[in-house]
Amino acid sequence: DAGVTQSPTHLIKTRGQHVTLRCSPISGHKSVSWYQQVLGQGPQFIFQYYEKEERGRGNFPDRFSARQFPNYSSELNVNALLLGDSALYLCASSLTITPQPQHFGDGTRLSIL
Amino acid sequence: QQQVKQSPQSLIVQKGGISIINCAYENTAFDYFPWYQQFPGKGPALLIAIRPDVSEKKEGRFTISFNKSAKQFSLHIMDSQPGDSATYFCAASIGTSGSRLTFGEGTQLTVNP
Repeated sequence: DAGVTQSPTHLIKTRGQHVTLRCSPISGHKSVSWYQQVLGQGPQFIFQYYEKEERGRGNFPDRFSARQFPNYSSELNVNALLLGDSALYLCASSLTITPQPQHFGDGTRLSIL
Repeated sequence: QQQVKQSPQSLIVQKGGISIINCAYENTAFDYFPWYQQFPGKGPALLIAIRPDVSEKKEGRFTISFNKSAKQFSLHIMDSQPGDSATYFCAASIGTSGSRLTFGEGTQLTVNP
């Protein structure tokens, strides 16, 4: 079975632009979470979606938004990009919303120039 | 109260030795404690996880020890191998907050041959 897949793998943007990152969860997984990992730090929680509804939001500005589709795939959108948004964006999926194994994709490396 | 503190920041161990990484938390509502391994350019991979009703869990060369009263948990890697060289993250989550993970700062492990 395929793991969590994310696209694109790398992306270069300039300040002020917007970006859309995509994630396909493991087959059968209904929960998708997004994390931001700045170089040298642990991942920071951004959003969790379950059954197409937002079930949690981390301490990130409104420039960050996400949604989950009927096939449980998800998009993370970031508007008005800042230099500080440069990071590895990780998607994780799990069967349900309760604490249990979350499986991560290899992320999208976003660089802001 | 949502923080998870991890130590040491870096660790060098000889092949065949025991690697020990420690984490401490403040929020007693945390009820799920996973450990992740991350190689450069890859997403975190789940190694092993424990819930607070268990004091120890072993899977192969990896063991989690959990001390509920001290609010601490640790990862022990027995017979460490050069292939174990990676960054390790502890994490914690709360059942009522879905499966959002709060990560430690990470430990960069180097196993010398």
